[in-house]
Amino acid sequence: DTEVTQTPKHLVMGMTNKKSLKCEQHMGHRAMYWYKQKAKKPPELMFVYSYEKLSINESVPSRFSPECPNSSLLNLHLHALQPEDSALYLCASSRPGTAGEKLFFGSGTQLSVL
Amino acid sequence: KQEVTQIPAALSVPEGENLVLNCSFTDSAIYNLQWFRQDPGKGLTSLLLIQSSQREQTSGRLNASLDKSSGRSTLYIAASQPGDSATYLCAVNGDFGNEKLTFGTGTRLTIIP
Repeated sequence: DTEVTQTPKHLVMGMTNKKSLKCEQHMGHRAMYWYKQKAKKPPELMFVYSYEKLSINESVPSRFSPECPNSSLLNLHLHALQPEDSALYLCASSRPGTAGEKLFFGSGTQLSVL
Repeated sequence: KQEVTQIPAALSVPEGENLVLNCSFTDSAIYNLQWFRQDPGKGLTSLLLIQSSQREQTSGRLNASLDKSSGRSTLYIAASQPGDSATYLCAVNGDFGNEKLTFGTGTRLTIIP
């Protein structure tokens, strides 16, 4: 199994809503990532979890709250988002701390904030 | 700060032609370079990864080369097919692990049947 599965594929939410994005992989990867990608732009790193601990937070606003409940799951909790947060949110995984390991991406969640 | 540039931003070629995509980076102190493919509204698929000590990697019709000293990489696609139409991104890794990938802005490739 070389898949990273993200749900939901599409999400529309109002600025007062609370929602969560989910990501799952069963490749035994112990590094998991959240990226944000705006249209026609490259992905931007948001968070990195290594061995279920948050290792990198790229100065992301607190309305985005990541969670790694176990080695296979990664969540991104969303609250009080702004319309400019509308984007494709990508989850990725790899083996941590090893150069030369490919990054595996999920197909993303297309988020629209109204 | 590492900067990664991909030129051209868009490229259209007739089916069957061979083509080259370019990637340049400003800091040659990298661990590896990856080429990804992205279909519209989808995630990225890793195509090839070249370690800093390697010169090239091949997978099927794809061949990626790396010249670390000059800060350049190319992705060669042989005998292009309409299914190759996608955006291709390169990403350089300046650290041990994947935590600090720097992506290029991508080349949007269209193969004309």
